[in-house]
Amino acid sequence: NAGVTQTPKFQVLKTGQSMTLQCAQDMNHEYMSWYRQDPGMGLRLIHYSVGAGITDQGEVPNGYNVSRSTTEDFPLRLLSAAPSQTSVYFCASSPGLAGGGILGQYFGPGTRLTVT
Amino acid sequence: SQKIEQNSEALNIQEGKTATLTCNYTNYSPAYLQWYRQDPGRGPVFLLLIRENEKEKRKERLKVTFDTTLKQSLFHITASQPADSATYLCALDASGGSYIPTFGRGTSLIVHP
Repeated sequence: NAGVTQTPKFQVLKTGQSMTLQCAQDMNHEYMSWYRQDPGMGLRLIHYSVGAGITDQGEVPNGYNVSRSTTEDFPLRLLSAAPSQTSVYFCASSPGLAGGGILGQYFGPGTRLTVT
Repeated sequence: SQKIEQNSEALNIQEGKTATLTCNYTNYSPAYLQWYRQDPGRGPVFLLLIRENEKEKRKERLKVTFDTTLKQSLFHITASQPADSATYLCALDASGGSYIPTFGRGTSLIVHP
């Protein structure tokens, strides 16, 4: 299993540009989530999904959209990039309740995004 | 407001000693608490989960305690090694049944040879 994969690894955007960060998992996990990590701020939840077709907002959802059309994929869209969105973005998945109980999250390697 | 607090100062210890990291929380009633390890430039890696009705859990050199009265979890690494040097994050469910955890900011552990 590849686990959780994220592309691209690095990205530089200009203010106002849009882009999609890709996330895929091959573990048939029900739950998927997106976090951003900034120095001194820790991991903050952007959006999450508890199954295909179901998404919800986390702590810092503004400026981001998500969709979950399949179990495997959970892309994060930046609508109009701003310098405040410069961060490291992590995608994570977990079995959720369908996995027989609550288990830990599996994280991808991260995407380092710079908005100039 | 809800808070998860981990010591922002790095913990420096000598190889072979026991490292103890603390996670305190306020205004949460978590069903579980998790601990993760994060190395520079990498995503967090899940280590242990402890449920609200469990007092202690062990895995090899790791031990986690969970005191819901004190609203505190302690994370111990016994016989620490330089390879244990990393940032350790605690996370707990934010209630509401989503089971998507909220993370503390992490504590850096540095084990000196």
